[in-house]
Amino acid sequence: SQTIHQWPATLVQPVGSPLSLECTVEGTSNPNLYWYRQAAGRGLQLLFYSVGIGQISSEVPQNLSASRPQDRQFILSSKKLLLSDSGFYLCAWDPIRLAGMAPSDEQFFGPGTRLTVL
Amino acid sequence: KNEVEQSPQNLTAQEGEFITINCSYSVGISALHWLQQHPGGGIVSLFMLSSGKKKHGRLIATINIQEKHSSLHITASHPRDSAVYICAVGGNQFYFGTGTSLTVIP
Repeated sequence: SQTIHQWPATLVQPVGSPLSLECTVEGTSNPNLYWYRQAAGRGLQLLFYSVGIGQISSEVPQNLSASRPQDRQFILSSKKLLLSDSGFYLCAWDPIRLAGMAPSDEQFFGPGTRLTVL
Repeated sequence: KNEVEQSPQNLTAQEGEFITINCSYSVGISALHWLQQHPGGGIVSLFMLSSGKKKHGRLIATINIQEKHSSLHITASHPRDSAVYICAVGGNQFYFGTGTSLTVIP
């Protein structure tokens, strides 16, 4: 079975400090990987997605960056956190879509990391 | 205007009631997802729809592609159904509704 892990579960960081959130997926290979953020009282916002190692697409300009050093590892980073970076960060995956095939049935989400920037 | 609109934003129901949550979208999509987010934050995928209707237990999801509208129904609601229900549309990239917060009272 496929599982997705995120850590840490919660994080409190001062403004200006660095950030590293990690996401790993088990039981599958070559997944699409996603980072989402859910700010308080707002919907989910796609931050980054990756279709393969070293391939990152950014949806929203910001002070965050993402990297995919291994097939099933996706990392969200920042050199200097802002207050506005506070939120709930979710990693998700879905099986790679092959040309001509229908989308997968589900996009699987990790347990999330709740980040508070003070 | 948001690409995905959900209604109602908040919903309180008595245990056993039939519940309907609506989702309207304005973009072209390949699929629509209904998600459930529990108070701890974890998100579970309930359904993916591209047409018609799907049923899983007490949950039923329908979609009308022409009208760009989907509904999530919960029959015989139970307090454990209390959660935020989120509609998401798209393909490789998703647009999300802000969610419907459901509270089912015993």
